[in-house]
Amino acid sequence: AQTVTQSQPEMSVQEAETVTLSCTYDTSESDYYLFWYKQPPSRQMILVIRQEAYKQQNATENRFSVNFQKAAKSFSLKISDSQLGDAAMYFCAYRRIGQFYFGTGTSLTVIP
Amino acid sequence: DSGVTQTPKHLITATGQRVTLRCSPRSGDLSVYWYQQSLDQGLQFLIQYYNGEERAKGNILERFSAQQFPDLHSELNLSSLELGDSALYFCASSPQGAYTEAFFGQGTRLTVV
Repeated sequence: AQTVTQSQPEMSVQEAETVTLSCTYDTSESDYYLFWYKQPPSRQMILVIRQEAYKQQNATENRFSVNFQKAAKSFSLKISDSQLGDAAMYFCAYRRIGQFYFGTGTSLTVIP
Repeated sequence: DSGVTQTPKHLITATGQRVTLRCSPRSGDLSVYWYQQSLDQGLQFLIQYYNGEERAKGNILERFSAQQFPDLHSELNLSSLELGDSALYFCASSPQGAYTEAFFGQGTRLTVV
């Protein structure tokens, strides 16, 4: 079974600084998608960014970017110019065919 | 707004009771997923439906059941409730296609007292 591992239960970053959240996954497949979801205190799950495994170029969405290392099965999220509103739980997710597999999450605190 | 609607938003019930959670997916989405999130925990996959048929099952208890109706809305039935069933229950939907993202509802917060 596919597994997704987020080894950092908690992270903190100073406002305006940059932080990187780690995610690794285990799969024998070559074609799949990866996602980062954000869950703020409201508990709503919000898609932050997604990456197609067949694309070598790393996805970017404004201040959010990923470092996708397919061979290493690594998919980290970089948040630049951190803002107070970025404080949330972040979940990494892997999708192959119909199934989604989520990591256990990283709680990000943004320090003013 | 993700387009996925879950009702009710909050539910308080006693142990031993049965409740039904409802989910309306985004228009046109054929897949519906149910997840359980206990306090400060990750997402536990319960079950997936695709166009009315059960597609995958996760760690869903026998006391729990679900179905997806012809109009594609889905219901999650929880029976013989225990204190440990208190959690946030999410429904998510995704469009047809193997690699699209899931869109989540706002969740139903279930409290069993």
